[in-house]
Amino acid sequence: DTAVSQTPKYLVTQMGNDKSIKCEQNLGHDTMYWYKQDSKKFLKIMFSYNNKELIINETVPNRFSPKSPDKAHLNLHINSLELGDSAVYFCASSQVSGRRITGELFFGEGSRLTVL
Amino acid sequence: AQSVSQHNHHVILSEAASLELGCNYSYGGTVNLFWYVQYPGQHLQLLLKYFSGDPLVKGIKGFEAEFIKSKFSFNLRKPSVQWSDTAEYFCAVSAAGNKLTFGGGTRVLVKP
Repeated sequence: DTAVSQTPKYLVTQMGNDKSIKCEQNLGHDTMYWYKQDSKKFLKIMFSYNNKELIINETVPNRFSPKSPDKAHLNLHINSLELGDSAVYFCASSQVSGRRITGELFFGEGSRLTVL
Repeated sequence: AQSVSQHNHHVILSEAASLELGCNYSYGGTVNLFWYVQYPGQHLQLLLKYFSGDPLVKGIKGFEAEFIKSKFSFNLRKPSVQWSDTAEYFCAVSAAGNKLTFGGGTRVLVKP
């Protein structure tokens, strides 16, 4: 029973297209994240939602739009895909109390996006 | 803003050798510290974490880490590595705010 699940695992698309990645967690956590891992394995946070509210929005192009319909789901929509968007996108969840993480982050298996 | 640096980008060693990976962070307040491992083609998994208490933390698979507050360090160690420890290792810090900031990672290759 997967704790954090992402779909799709692989995504190959052309420049200029729009695509979405979905994430669901069944851990009962109140906070979810999107991280981007580039080709050099560097992990950078993109967004974080706490109880459906956007609380972290790092310097990410506005072509990226996260949506959290409820605290168990966090989706990522990307418009007008560019070559530089090719990466592995990881969803994660954690429990937060008073703006501090109270436990570990649990990660999904990643969604590898390739833009041609 | 919090930042994390891992000194070694690549480490190559033989089975049974000892491993130590350095991690330093920059933040003056209370921090929570983590080491994650990413095996080839897989997602990140927690090796160990430090929130408070004994600064020597034991994790899974024989790993341990020591928090030295005066040095802003949280180095990872394993006395005797195995081929299966080949992976990317990430140090991470959570301080103010609810995000985890990762270091650049250290790729460890264990030769059989």
